[in-house]
Amino acid sequence: DVKVTQSSRYLVKRTGEKVFLECVQDMDHENMFWYRQDPGLGLRLIYFSYDVKMKEKGDIPEGYSVSREKKERFSLILESASTNQTSMYLCASTSFGPQHFGDGTRLSIL
Amino acid sequence: GENVEQHPSTLSVQEGDSAVIKCTYSDSASNYFPWYKQELGKRPQLIIDIRSNVGEKKDQRIAVTLNKTAKHFSLHITETQPEDSAVYFCAAPGADTGFQKLVFGTGTRLLVSP
Repeated sequence: DVKVTQSSRYLVKRTGEKVFLECVQDMDHENMFWYRQDPGLGLRLIYFSYDVKMKEKGDIPEGYSVSREKKERFSLILESASTNQTSMYLCASTSFGPQHFGDGTRLSIL
Repeated sequence: GENVEQHPSTLSVQEGDSAVIKCTYSDSASNYFPWYKQELGKRPQLIIDIRSNVGEKKDQRIAVTLNKTAKHFSLHITETQPEDSAVYFCAAPGADTGFQKLVFGTGTRLLVSP
């Protein structure tokens, strides 16, 4: 069974901090994704990666960056956290076909 | 790029009734349409998907239909049960990304009352 693990379920940070969200998958998937989930807005793609060191912007990349140094790990970075980045963040991975999601990180920026 | 609209945003039914959720998409070249179920506090999980060369697919009480001409696809749940209560998301890919990148609908909150 595919396992996508996000490093934290809940995280509280302060405005202006640099925040790292980590995601690891164990199925050797080429493609990994970071989404943001807000009520009434569904899942919006922030960034995705189709190979090590490769990345592409999604629909809402502003204020975020990503890193993929190893195939199994995809990190989301909030360069300078702001209160409007308070949200649920979901990581997903796939090789071909359906995406498999992690449990999510609920991030609060105070 | 692809645009996906999902309706209704909330749906309340009595146990045993049927529920239908509809999504429309904009990119006529889209070829893969998954449906995800997200229970409260849990991750989205794939419940059924359909490819563009098929008009309907069933899995027990769940079915998905696809109308390529009208560019819409629907999730049908029959004999609903309280454990079907969740948020359901549809999705579609853009033709330029194959199956890899998905655009999601805004979700439907289904409440099944005993």
